[in-house]
Amino acid sequence: KQEVTQIPAALSVPEGENLVLNCSFTDSAIYNLQWFRQDPGKGLTSLLLIQSSQREQTSGRLNASLDKSSGRSTLYIAASQPGDSATYLCAVGTGANNLFFGTGTRLTVIP
Amino acid sequence: GAGVSQSPSNKVTEKGKDVELRCDPISGHTALYWYRQSLGQGLEFLIYFQGNSAPDKSGLPSDRFSAERTGGSVSTLTIQRTQQEDSAVYLCASSYLAGGSYEQYFGPGTRLTVT
Repeated sequence: KQEVTQIPAALSVPEGENLVLNCSFTDSAIYNLQWFRQDPGKGLTSLLLIQSSQREQTSGRLNASLDKSSGRSTLYIAASQPGDSATYLCAVGTGANNLFFGTGTRLTVIP
Repeated sequence: GAGVSQSPSNKVTEKGKDVELRCDPISGHTALYWYRQSLGQGLEFLIYFQGNSAPDKSGLPSDRFSAERTGGSVSTLTIQRTQQEDSAVYLCASSYLAGGSYEQYFGPGTRLTVT
């Protein structure tokens, strides 16, 4: 069974700092990898989707990379803002069916 | 366009009662998924519907849980004889599988509290 781990579990940074969130998975036979953001009491917002054939995806200040062979992905957030405070979830897809989720990294950006 | 919607947003029920949770997927999305997020735990897959195929029920935790999807659109997740450990946020997602993206779009969830 695919297992997804996210480190660190929580991270606190001052506003303006660049930061990296880490995700690792045990089975490299993945179809895609999705990064989500979850605000307290809310659902999930998709941030970036990387197909297994891709190495990275970028959206604004966010950049996600994928190294399938080593079972790792990173989410890089540039010039962090207080509005970036949320829990970030990594999820691995093995096809059209379900995603396997990590337990998330809770990010706090201090003004 | 409209995203995935779920109702109710919050549900409080007594132990032993049955509950129904509803999900309206994005129009045109052929795949629909239910997940559960318990306090302090990650999201747990429950069930997956794709078109007219038989659903993948491999994630349902017990036979008290069932789900159906009528007309390839709206889905209902039913929990019978609710237990306190069923308290969680139930999230629904949908996906448009053509093109091979398989990106999942999530609804806001239903927070279920069993007292």
